[in-house]
Amino acid sequence: AQTVTQSQPEMSVQEAETVTLSCTYDTSESDYYLFWYKQPPSRQMILVIRQEAYKQQNATENRFSVNFQKAAKSFSLKISDSQLGDAAMYFCAYRSAGGNNAGNMLTFGGGTRLMVKP
Amino acid sequence: GAGVSQTPSNKVTEKGKYVELRCDPISGHTALYWYRQSLGQGPEFLIYFQGTGAADDSGLPNDRFFAVRPEGSVSTLKIQRTERGDSAVYLCASSLGPDRVHEQFFGPGTRLTVL
Repeated sequence: AQTVTQSQPEMSVQEAETVTLSCTYDTSESDYYLFWYKQPPSRQMILVIRQEAYKQQNATENRFSVNFQKAAKSFSLKISDSQLGDAAMYFCAYRSAGGNNAGNMLTFGGGTRLMVKP
Repeated sequence: GAGVSQTPSNKVTEKGKYVELRCDPISGHTALYWYRQSLGQGPEFLIYFQGTGAADDSGLPNDRFFAVRPEGSVSTLKIQRTERGDSAVYLCASSLGPDRVHEQFFGPGTRLTVL
């Protein structure tokens, strides 16, 4: 079974600064997807960024980028030019890329609460 | 609708009661997922539907939990003889199809409190 670990329960960043959230995972599979989701107080999970394991290039979405280290099974999220609206819970998630219907779900880490100071 | 909707938003019940939680997926999405998020934790998978059938129910914690999706659209999660440990936010997600490249879109969840 796959596991996802987020070792930082809370992080704080000054507005306009850069912050990096850590995520490690454990899997025996070679092909999979990794995600970062944002969950504001409204509870609705919002996809921030996605990475396919077979792609060596790190994904980037505007101010959000990842550092994907497949051999180390590490998948960190960097938020540049942090804004007050970035304050939320952030969850790292894993999804198997192949196989039958079983394993189609997302496996989440425990989350990191990001606070943004004005 | 524009997104995944879930009703009710909040549900308070007493230990031992039966509850139903409803999920309306995005129109045209054939895949539907239920997750449970306990306080301070990440969501945990419960069950996955492809169309009307439960393709994977390996996450259901015990036989008090049951889910249906009779017409391949709306889904209902049913919990019998609720226990205080069932208190959590229940999240529903839908995606266009079973292909794992398809993004899962989440609803706002139902917060269940068992007194």
